[in-house]
Amino acid sequence: GAVVSQHPSWVICKSGTSVKIECRSLDFQATTMFWYRQFPKQSLMLMATSNEGSKATYEQGVEKDKFLINHASLTLSTLTVTSAHPEDSSFYICSARDPSGPFTDTQYFGPGTRLTVL
Amino acid sequence: QQQVKQSPQSLIVQKGGISIINCAYENTAFDYFPWYQQFPGKGPALLIAIRPDVSEKKEGRFTISFNKSAKQFSLHIMDSQPGDSATYFCAATYRIKAAGNKLTFGGGTRVLVKP
Repeated sequence: GAVVSQHPSWVICKSGTSVKIECRSLDFQATTMFWYRQFPKQSLMLMATSNEGSKATYEQGVEKDKFLINHASLTLSTLTVTSAHPEDSSFYICSARDPSGPFTDTQYFGPGTRLTVL
Repeated sequence: QQQVKQSPQSLIVQKGGISIINCAYENTAFDYFPWYQQFPGKGPALLIAIRPDVSEKKEGRFTISFNKSAKQFSLHIMDSQPGDSATYFCAATYRIKAAGNKLTFGGGTRVLVKP
């Protein structure tokens, strides 16, 4: 099946610093990628939809200036958490849609990035 | 209208038993229903998916049953194994481009299979 990677798998940073998380589709070209946030024992919350070559579409309540998303190529999307604070500590997961797969609506998820802000 | 309700929140089953997880949706535009399996500290992995033109789909020990008129679908895990202990999420989406194929997730079910 389609493989999506994320880097780093975990990161610890100081409050006020920025952190960049990369999401890559390894064996397919993803015109659309999605970024989710997941708190312990909760479901996935969609933060934004990232389309290659265009601006991301953010869900209601998600701060665009705080969570910067760039989808510069068909295999790479990045999420930058700017001026991170302890409340931004969470598990961030990306997914990518494989438009050439048997189910074009299928999203394949990365392994997630655990962010801890001290 | 976008909500997907999942039950139960947690489930304990003996090894070899059947795990059953149910989901219900409101939006009749949904036309793709995947199930994901997530282990602690990992991203969700696609388990099995179904479209509403079929009432059942089976892959190995995993079966999706779909009831379009009731707007319900369920996951059955046959011969449950300790390695199946994970959190399972149902989801739904539809193909309208404007919606960006966004997945709407259920709340999740934590399954524990006791040896």
